[in-house]
Amino acid sequence: RKEVEQDPGPFNVPEGATVAFNCTYSNSASQSFFWYRQDCRKEPKLLMSVYSSGNEDGRFTAQLNRASQYISLLIRDSKLSDSATYLCVVPIGGSQGNLIFGKGTKLSVKP
Amino acid sequence: DAGITQSPRHKVTETGTPVTLRCHQTENHRYMYWYRQDPGHGLRLIHYSYGVKDTDKGEVSDGYSVSRSKTEDFLLTLESATSSQTSVYFCAISEGRGYTFGSGTRLTVV
Repeated sequence: RKEVEQDPGPFNVPEGATVAFNCTYSNSASQSFFWYRQDCRKEPKLLMSVYSSGNEDGRFTAQLNRASQYISLLIRDSKLSDSATYLCVVPIGGSQGNLIFGKGTKLSVKP
Repeated sequence: DAGITQSPRHKVTETGTPVTLRCHQTENHRYMYWYRQDPGHGLRLIHYSYGVKDTDKGEVSDGYSVSRSKTEDFLLTLESATSSQTSVYFCAISEGRGYTFGSGTRLTVV
């Protein structure tokens, strides 16, 4: 299994839709996980951290299944401004260790 | 705002020339990183630093060197640029709950 794998995408959804992205990871020792958002030709920006079974922030919910080594990101009531690439990120080597990035899933929200 | 800046933002250089990219931070973070991002790949770690004069290699370090003589500056050098080093380069700092990235340097080697 590759270190971090994400849904290939792209996801094209209408405004108001609910969309979910999946991510699997291979390092069973990883304790924390991140979802980053990257707009076209911009730097990645932290969207959510996931340290336990899950985390919710407004329309965004991240869930973690350690047994299956699986992370998901759910976006409810999609907005046009949610259009971006979403990166699943898994640290290795402790909290100051290297980050392993998935290749990203592109989301396009249409009017 | 983490106060991390990269320079230059864009650069075009010729094969075989040396190139240095600069990353500057204003908040005294110990850990700094250089990544490259290419189509079809996730961000990949080139080198990182865990203190002044303390650096280590990442996944794709061949052809790159780094230096950190001051806490605030982390330099990435391509000793002899090749076309395969055409990429977008991101510097990052670690803030404990994730990394904060600079705006990136778009490097083209012709």
